[in-house]
Order: sequence, then structure tokens, then C-alpha cells
Amino acid sequence: NAGVTQTPKFRILKIGQSMTLQCTQDMNHNYMYWYRQDPGMGLKLIYYSVGAGITDKGEVPNGYNVSRSTTEDFPLRLELAAPSQTSVYFCASSQRGSNAEAFFGQGTRLTVV
Amino acid sequence: AQSVTQPDIHITVSEGASLELRCNYSYGATPYLFWYVQSPGQGLQLLLKYFSGDTLVQGIKGFEAEFKRSQSSFNLRKPSVHWSDAAEYFCAVGVTGGGNKLTFGTGTQLKVEL
Repeated sequence: NAGVTQTPKFRILKIGQSMTLQCTQDMNHNYMYWYRQDPGMGLKLIYYSVGAGITDKGEVPNGYNVSRSTTEDFPLRLELAAPSQTSVYFCASSQRGSNAEAFFGQGTRLTVV
Repeated sequence: AQSVTQPDIHITVSEGASLELRCNYSYGATPYLFWYVQSPGQGLQLLLKYFSGDTLVQGIKGFEAEFKRSQSSFNLRKPSVHWSDAAEYFCAVGVTGGGNKLTFGTGTQLKVEL
């Protein structure tokens, strides 16, 4: 069982470049999420989706965009990368239900120079 | 808005000693509470969760947590720590409705001395 798969694992971007972080899950989960993790700050929610075609902003959405065309995929787009977007990004998915466990990918470490 | 406080940034314990990691939450309704563990370079793995019923919750790897509504706390415990428990631990509160969004604490880094 692959679970939640993120690509790439590492990436270095120059300021102003753009990129897409890929996330796919094979558990048929309706809900998907993007978090960023910065040292000493825990994880902050960027965007989330409750199903194909439905997305909404989280706590720190500025500078990012998402789409959800299928149940499996939830890519995160960075336009005009800035040093403040240097972080570790985690994709997660869960079933419906407030007590449902979130399953996390292994993360993408992004550095913007 | 909900929030989670983990007051201990770093904790060091000796192998075989007991462990307690503190977590306090702020949420207006009955909380859904989670503890996740993150090993270096890895994603997060669920240790245990509380959503109703018995306030003492058992999890994987010998961990347990106790929900205390009067203290707004959900502390994680383990009677005897193993060297492999060295990791970062995150407490989180789940928001009812609207996509199961999680609010995380800032984490506690656990070091285990042999």
C-alpha cells in the first residue's frame, strides 16, 4: 500500500521561479491537505480539499494555489517563489469524519535561494 | 479559534525512564485530539486519538494519553522509553466539520540517552 506519495523529495528553486509539488493518494480518501512545517512552528495548513473540484484556503494560503481534479491527486503550485517559502511541505489525506486519522506523505523539502 | 500549546520544546530522558509530554488545547466545543510522531526525515504517524468515551486512550508503541477536560490537557505518557522513541511529537486538535482540519502544536523534540 503506497498511501500518500509526494514528489519531489527535495528541490532548490531560485527566487521568482515556479513549481508544482505533486501529491497522490491511493486510499480513496475524500479529504486532502497541504501543510508546511517550519522549525519551531509546528505544521500550518495551506490549503485543503473535501473532494474533487472543491478546495479551500487554510491558515497560510498566500503565494500558493491548488487544484483537485481527481480524488487521488492534489497538486500544490508555487508561483513566483520567495525565500519565505523555504520549508518542508507535507501532503495528507483522510476519510470523512472528525475523528478520522490523517495519513501523511514523507514531505518535500524546498529551498528558495 | 482553536489552539494547541506544547510547553516543552526539548525533553531528554534516559532509556527505561518514564515519559510525559504535555499538551494543552483551546477549543470551544468537545475536542478531537491527536498525538502524532515524526521521525527524522519522515512524515507524521498517528500514535493515538481521543474523540469521546474513556478519557485514557491507548495507542501504538506503548503510548497512552489522558484527556482532562477540566485542565484542557491531553498529555502523552509512556512508562518506559526506548532509544527508538527519539523523535518529534506533535499534539493536534481537530476542528469539527469543514474538512477535518488539524491545528498543531509546535512540537516537542524527545532525546533518549542510553
